[in-house]
Amino acid sequence: NAGVTQTPKFRILKIGQSMTLQCAQDMNHNYMYWYRQDPGMGLKLIYYSVGAGITDKGEVPNGYNVSRSTTEDFPLRLELAAPSQTSVYFCASRNRDTNEKLFFGSGTQLSVL
Amino acid sequence: ILNVEQSPQSLHVQEGDSTNFTCSFPSSNFYALHWYRWETAKSPEALFVMTLNGDEKKKGRISATLNTKEGYSYLYIKGSQPEDSATYLCALEGGTSYGKLTFGQGTILTVHP
Repeated sequence: NAGVTQTPKFRILKIGQSMTLQCAQDMNHNYMYWYRQDPGMGLKLIYYSVGAGITDKGEVPNGYNVSRSTTEDFPLRLELAAPSQTSVYFCASRNRDTNEKLFFGSGTQLSVL
Repeated sequence: ILNVEQSPQSLHVQEGDSTNFTCSFPSSNFYALHWYRWETAKSPEALFVMTLNGDEKKKGRISATLNTKEGYSYLYIKGSQPEDSATYLCALEGGTSYGKLTFGQGTILTVHP
């Protein structure tokens, strides 16, 4: 198993550009999450999904969109990048039915200049 | 938005010292409390998932307790080693959103040789 795979690892965007952060898991997990790392604030939840076709907002959803068309994939879309979105983004997944821990991807470091 | 608070924000100890940190959370509608260890430039890794009031978990020199009635969890490290230096995060699954995991801001532990 590869676990949770995030791409790209690094990206620099110009203000106003769009991009999609990819996340895929091969553990057949039902729940998937997107977090961003804010300095001194731990991890903030952007969006999460409880299964294919179902998504819900977290604490900081503004400026982002998600979709979950399959169990495996949970991409995060930035439509109009802003400097405030400069952060490290982590995707995570788990099997909620067995109350399992979160498995994290390796992170995407995004800079918006 | 759930308020998950961790204290202290940072901690410096000497090798061999035992230490503990606190995670405080609203006690209503509790589902689970997670602890994660997060080393610099890596992804968070799970330590414990606790669901029942009075739960105690142990992994080597690290242990955790849970009090859901008063809304807190303690993480203990016995005989700290320099390799224990990391940020320790707790995450609450609770409130009105089943499956949503809200993280505290973390406790940064530095163990000096």
